[in-house]
Amino acid sequence: SQTIHQWPATLVQPVGSPLSLECTVEGTSNPNLYWYRQAAGRGLQLLFYSVGIGQISSEVPQNLSASRPQDRQFILSSKKLLLSDSGFYLCAWSGGWGFGNQPQHFGDGTRLSIL
Amino acid sequence: AQSVTQPDIHITVSEGASLELRCNYSYGATPYLFWYVQSPGQGLQLLLKYFSGDTLVQGIKGFEAEFKRSQSSFNLRKPSVHWSDAAEYFCAVGPYAGSYQLTFGKGTKLSVIP
Repeated sequence: SQTIHQWPATLVQPVGSPLSLECTVEGTSNPNLYWYRQAAGRGLQLLFYSVGIGQISSEVPQNLSASRPQDRQFILSSKKLLLSDSGFYLCAWSGGWGFGNQPQHFGDGTRLSIL
Repeated sequence: AQSVTQPDIHITVSEGASLELRCNYSYGATPYLFWYVQSPGQGLQLLLKYFSGDTLVQGIKGFEAEFKRSQSSFNLRKPSVHWSDAAEYFCAVGPYAGSYQLTFGKGTKLSVIP
């Protein structure tokens, strides 16, 4: 069966520091991968998605970037964190066939606090 | 553009009572519809999905949802709520052909009174 791992679970970082959140998927190949941010009372905001190695689409211009160095690895990064980057970050995957008529499956999330 | 409305921000029900969570969507074609559940501090778990066919969809944990095209609704129901069902529930729709983006509602928080 497929599993998705996301780490760390919680992270406290000072303003201006770099960020690296990692997500890996097991049990499937060529998945579509997604990074979301969730703010209280505002639902989920899609940040990035990837349909293959090195292919990244950005949905929201911001201080963050994403990379996909391997088929089942998705990384969310920042060079200098802002206070507004605080939030709950979720990684998700879906089957890589068809255009999105596959459900997305989520990791357990990373709670990021910026001080 | 597609959108999802969950009119109820917070619902409280007694354990054993029935539950219905509302979801209305705006979408230009036959939608793909999903319900997810999120426990505090956790990721989202897929409860059920509708792609086509029978408009009454069965999911995990005893949940079901009914797609009503005429009302643009996809309401989630459970006949008897358990205390462990307390969580936040998200409805999602999409994507458009050629897109990968799901549109999520803002969620309904469910509290269960013992």
